[in-house]
Amino acid sequence: GENVEQHPSTLSVQEGDSAVIKCTYSDSASNYFPWYKQELGKRPQLIIDIRSNVGEKKDQRIAVTLNKTAKHFSLHITETQPEDSAVYFCAASYGGATNKLIFGTGTLLAVQP
Amino acid sequence: ETGVTQTPRHLVMGMTNKKSLKCEQHLGHNAMYWYKQSAKKPLELMFVYSLEERVENNSVPSRFSPECPNSSHLFLHLHTLQPEDSALYLCASSPIAGGTDTQYFGPGTRLTVL
Repeated sequence: GENVEQHPSTLSVQEGDSAVIKCTYSDSASNYFPWYKQELGKRPQLIIDIRSNVGEKKDQRIAVTLNKTAKHFSLHITETQPEDSAVYFCAASYGGATNKLIFGTGTLLAVQP
Repeated sequence: ETGVTQTPRHLVMGMTNKKSLKCEQHLGHNAMYWYKQSAKKPLELMFVYSLEERVENNSVPSRFSPECPNSSHLFLHLHTLQPEDSALYLCASSPIAGGTDTQYFGPGTRLTVL
């Protein structure tokens, strides 16, 4: 069925360390994988996305990797800062009658100063 | 940020009340969405509109009734809700409908049903 699993549900790191969040999806036809950051009391905001024709994408301290064979993708944040503390959601596109995004359950990242 | 706005930001209603949530996008997008966000659950897609036509109804109870009078405005009419409907309701828009285009979210309406 339509399912995106996200791990871990909570992640605590020291400032300056790296953080990795992993997601798996079930539909081999999925071709778009965005990551959203939601700070407390605020809206989800897109931070990076990747399409199935590439394996990795970077934007400064943030990178996303995609393994289509294994059907998983990961978010990597390097040199974490306290302002990176938030809930991060992965999502995958699903086809069928209507293309739509299916979201993971979220990861609460806490960066300790 | 004013791309997608939602009103009200907070709403408390009784189970017998009727209320409406409003969403407006200023991005020139053709697709609009309603999502429900509950604690410890993934974002749940409720409805999708493309060029004012509903293209997805994700098995949502009839006590939730969407309306899209034009491509910039989206409403969610609520009536006889249950306490378990308490959640953050998020509106989003994208250039075209579907899962392969970036979706931009509004700030949400925090709904509490007593």
